[in-house]
Formats: sequence, structure tokens, C-alpha cells
Amino acid sequence: GEDVEQSLFLSVREGDSSVINCTYTDSSSTYLYWYKQEPGAGLQLLTYIFSNMDMKQDQRLTVLLNKKDKHLSLRIADTQTGDSAIYFCAEKGDAGNMLTFGGGTRLMVKP
Amino acid sequence: EAGVTQFPSHSVIEKGQTVTLRCDPISGHDNLYWYRRVMGKEIKFLLHFVKESKQDESGMPNNRFLAERTGGTYSTLKVQPAELEDSGVYFCASSPLRLGSGANVLTFGAGSRLTVL
Repeated sequence: GEDVEQSLFLSVREGDSSVINCTYTDSSSTYLYWYKQEPGAGLQLLTYIFSNMDMKQDQRLTVLLNKKDKHLSLRIADTQTGDSAIYFCAEKGDAGNMLTFGGGTRLMVKP
Repeated sequence: EAGVTQFPSHSVIEKGQTVTLRCDPISGHDNLYWYRRVMGKEIKFLLHFVKESKQDESGMPNNRFLAERTGGTYSTLKVQPAELEDSGVYFCASSPLRLGSGANVLTFGAGSRLTVL
């Protein structure tokens, strides 16, 4: 099956930028997603990008996609303590509606 | 608009017992998905309903798991008999049915944590 890989943990200081990386294997990915999970809550969609795009910006969030290397990143500018959460990368192939998720990256923001 | 709701939020059972998890999707969402996250690993797909029909159940681990969506509204996921390795967080998600191959934006519930002792 297809794989999505993420690093487990990232720690940054408040006000710094955070960059969370993700790699995937599905060469037929059509959409890639970033979800955020806060403690005790469900997964909240942050943003998604169509595979023909290489960048998408939404306020403090910037998504970069390198389709050739199958690498996706999420940059959070001016990281706040409220950004502390687990961030999941996911991809959708060209067949069906199923999303394949990575293992999540726990972001810890230190004051 | 009410979100995706799941019940119970946490269930603790002994090995061999039965547990039924329930998911109420967003009203009008024909797509309903079950996912599971075990021991802090990746969130794995279990199955996908379109209305009351099972569209894809390739992720169901074995025949101890039974999912239903009678009437195409809420769904239940029953584990019988439960084993230790079934412990994890079971997420339900829903999305509207769309034609074509656009982005499938899933709305997730908060999950049901299952602990099998």
C-alpha cells in the first residue's frame, strides 16, 4: 500500500517559524492535506493543496509541494503556544475517496 | 451546523468482551469513513460507506469487526470479541458526495478511545 511518513516530534520557541515535513509514495496523489489534532479533539482540516500546485498560502500557513520528490511541508509563521498539537499529513490518490495518513508530528511550542 | 459526533468518547473493556462504537455524521453527508489510530502510529483507513452501502472495506483488520450504516444515517462499528491489539482511537469522518475527483474534505469526529485490558 501507499505510505506517508512524518517525523515524530518538533519543538520550537514562540514567535519562531515551524516547518513540518512529510513524504509520500503515491505517484498518483491528487490532493494533499494537513490536519491538526488538539488534545481531546478530532482532526481539524487546516489546508489542502492540489497536486498540480507547488505552493499555497493561507494567513500564517504556507504549504509547499515538491511533486517530483513527493515531499510536502507545512510552515507556520510566528508560531504561538496555541499551535501546539499533532499535525497529520494525508494524501488522496486518483482512485476512490480514501485518504492515507502519516503518523503525525507532535509540535511543541515553548514560551 | 452540528459536527461529526462519536460515542462513547472512551470505553474500557476486557479481552473477549464486545464493544459498539457509534458515529453520527454531519446531516446530508453521504460519505462516512472509519479510521483507527493504534499506539500513536498512523491513522489507518478501515472502511468507507456511501449512504448505506459499503464502498470500500479493505482496511477492516479481520472478521471480529462489523460496521453497519442502516438507513444511511448513523453508523456503528462493533468489535466482537475484542482483543488487546484492538486498543486505539477510532475516528469517524464524513463528507458530502461529489461527482468527479475533487478534493474530498473529510470532517472528523473527536474519536472513540478503546482500551482493551
